Amino acid sequence: AQSVTQPDIHITVSEGASLELRCNYSYGATPYLFWYVQSPGQGLQLLLKYFSGDTLVQGIKGFEAEFKRSQSSFNLRKPSVHWSDAAEYFCAVGGTNAGKSTFGDGTTLTVKP
Amino acid sequence: ETGVTQSPTHLIKTRGQQVTLRCSSQSGHNTVSWYQQALGQGPQFIFQYYREEENGRGNFPPRFSGLQFPNYSSELNVNALELDDSALYLCASSSYLSGGAGDTQYFGPGTRLTVL
Repeated sequence: AQSVTQPDIHITVSEGASLELRCNYSYGATPYLFWYVQSPGQGLQLLLKYFSGDTLVQGIKGFEAEFKRSQSSFNLRKPSVHWSDAAEYFCAVGGTNAGKSTFGDGTTLTVKP
Repeated sequence: ETGVTQSPTHLIKTRGQQVTLRCSSQSGHNTVSWYQQALGQGPQFIFQYYREEENGRGNFPPRFSGLQFPNYSSELNVNALELDDSALYLCASSSYLSGGAGDTQYFGPGTRLTVL
């Protein structure tokens, strides 16, 4: 069975500081990994995805993530956080069909001025 | 291109009633997936429809059912509502090619269902 763990329920960072959100997954085959962001009252927006190739993936809004197979991790990073990044972030794992993904329970990001 | 839309935005029902939620896929997409997102949790996969046929189902009882229409819009029906069905219901459309990779899901804003 596939699963995703996001160990940090809530993270607070100062504006301009760096950010790392953790994600650990369990999947029986080659995983396809995703990070989504959800703002209040809105649906999920894809930040980035990993299917194969380079283990460092660049996404939108200045985010990147690194796939580490040996650690079963896919952590999301941003070098300098903006106040508008405050939202809920979800990591997900699946196979070739992204529509059947398994999501973690999310990390809430608060940005201090 | 138009995005994924869902209706209604909010809905209040009482236990035992039935509800139908609607989703219009993004133009050109042939696949729709439905998710249930309870408060404080991540989305849970309910089922997927591909070219009007169910194409996989998560751990949800049969009282959760769906339809996909020739224009690829979709409905989620829930019978005999229970209090635990209160959640945000999200639909996502994609262009799934069987055996392929790289498809991206585009999510709608969701329908907030409250069961009293």
